[in-house]
Amino acid sequence: NAGVTQTPKFRVLKTGQSMTLLCAQDMNHEYMYWYRQDPGMGLRLIHYSVGEGTTAKGEVPDGYNVSRLKKQNFLLGLESAAPSQTSVYFCASSYGGHNQPQHFGDGTRLSIL
Amino acid sequence: TQLLEQSPQFLSIQEGENLTVYCNSSSVFSSLQWYRQEPGEGPVLLVTVVTGGEVKKLKRLTFQFGDARKDSSLHITAAQTGDTGLYLCAGAARGGTSYGKLTFGQGTILTVHP
Repeated sequence: NAGVTQTPKFRVLKTGQSMTLLCAQDMNHEYMYWYRQDPGMGLRLIHYSVGEGTTAKGEVPDGYNVSRLKKQNFLLGLESAAPSQTSVYFCASSYGGHNQPQHFGDGTRLSIL
Repeated sequence: TQLLEQSPQFLSIQEGENLTVYCNSSSVFSSLQWYRQEPGEGPVLLVTVVTGGEVKKLKRLTFQFGDARKDSSLHITAAQTGDTGLYLCAGAARGGTSYGKLTFGQGTILTVHP
C-alpha cells in the first residue's frame, strides 16, 4: 500500500526559480491538502482541494499555486521561489467530511538559496 | 481564525516517567485529533476524540477531550524510549463548509532518555 507519495523528497532551488511538487494518493480520497511545516509552528495549510478540478486557499496561500486535474494527484507550484519558502512540505488526503483522519506523505524538504 | 496552543513545546524526560501534553483553544472544535511524527516522515494519526469529556486509551497513552470541546490532553504513563517523537494536536473545524480542514498546534518534541 503506497498511500500518499510525494516527489521529490529533497530539492534545492535558487531564488526566482520555479518548481512543482507532486502528490499522489491511491486511496480514492476526495480531499487533498498541502501544508508547510516550520520549526515551532506546527503545520500550516497552504491550499486544499475537495475534489477533482476544485481548489481553495488555506491559511498561507501567497506565493503558491495548485492544481487537481486528476482525483489522485495534487500539484503544488512555486512560480518564483523565495528564501521564505524554505520549509518541509507535506501533502495529505482524506475521505473528507467531519472528523476524518488525514493521511500524510513523507514530505518534501525544500531549500531556497 | 481558530488557534490551538500546545504546551510544552519541548519535553525531555527519563524512561519510566509520566508526562502530559496540553492543547488549548478559545474555539470549539468538532473533534480533536492527535498525531505522532518521526524524523523524515509525515504525521500519523494516533486517535480522534469527538465527544466532550471523552477519554480514549491507547496502551500507555490516554487522550481526553474537554467538556466544552475547546481543549485536549495527552498523558503518557511510564514513558519508553520508543515514545520519542513530535506530537501534534489538530482541531477539526465545525460546520458543513469546513471540508475536513485541521488547525494544528505548534507540536511537542518529546525525548525519552534511557
